[in-house]
Amino acid sequence: DGGITQSPKYLFRKEGQNVTLSCEQNLNHDAMYWYRQDPGQGLRLIYYSQIVNDFQKGDIAEGYSVSREKKESFPLTVTSAQKNPTAFYLCASSTGQADITEAFFGQGTRLTVV
Amino acid sequence: ELKVEQNPLFLSMQEGKNYTIYCNYSTTSDRLYWYRQDPGKSLESLFVLLSNGAVKQEGRLMASLDTKARLSTLHITAAVHDLSATYFCAVDLNNDMRFGAGTRLTVKP
Repeated sequence: DGGITQSPKYLFRKEGQNVTLSCEQNLNHDAMYWYRQDPGQGLRLIYYSQIVNDFQKGDIAEGYSVSREKKESFPLTVTSAQKNPTAFYLCASSTGQADITEAFFGQGTRLTVV
Repeated sequence: ELKVEQNPLFLSMQEGKNYTIYCNYSTTSDRLYWYRQDPGKSLESLFVLLSNGAVKQEGRLMASLDTKARLSTLHITAAVHDLSATYFCAVDLNNDMRFGAGTRLTVKP
């Protein structure tokens, strides 16, 4: 089945630790995105990537880092510089081409700082 | 910078009533999407609107796009409880996809 998979579903981090959230897609999509959602709030763009080995900062990139070494994978690292990382993180992908379709979302990772 | 504004942010409706959610955006784009999110869940795609004047309907929901006015609407007809959720619009500008803050819809019997 084609789709986009995030792991883990739940993640607990101690203060000062870096953690990496996984996002994998087998849809052959060029574009991938990371969003953060706080309780009762909308989605804010952290980073996006239009093509392998390239990515751009979104509105709230500080304290996060990404890589796009493979088309299928777009991992997000939440660094210790992110002072308030507790949130719901959503990864998405889209074709990125002119014959655009909507972005498909993973099931999300709920990160909690303990 | 692309900004997307939705209103209302909260909407409480009686079953059987009609209402419209509005999505305004700041920069010319001809790609707009509507998503639904249930509590604690991910986003589910509802509509893809790719051209001026596009109108799409699915059940009790109908979405339209006016690119000249930079406005999309999501119209709810004869609301039912199952439509209770948060609805987001998103605008795509060269694969930089930004979301509105969402409209939390509650349909009451």
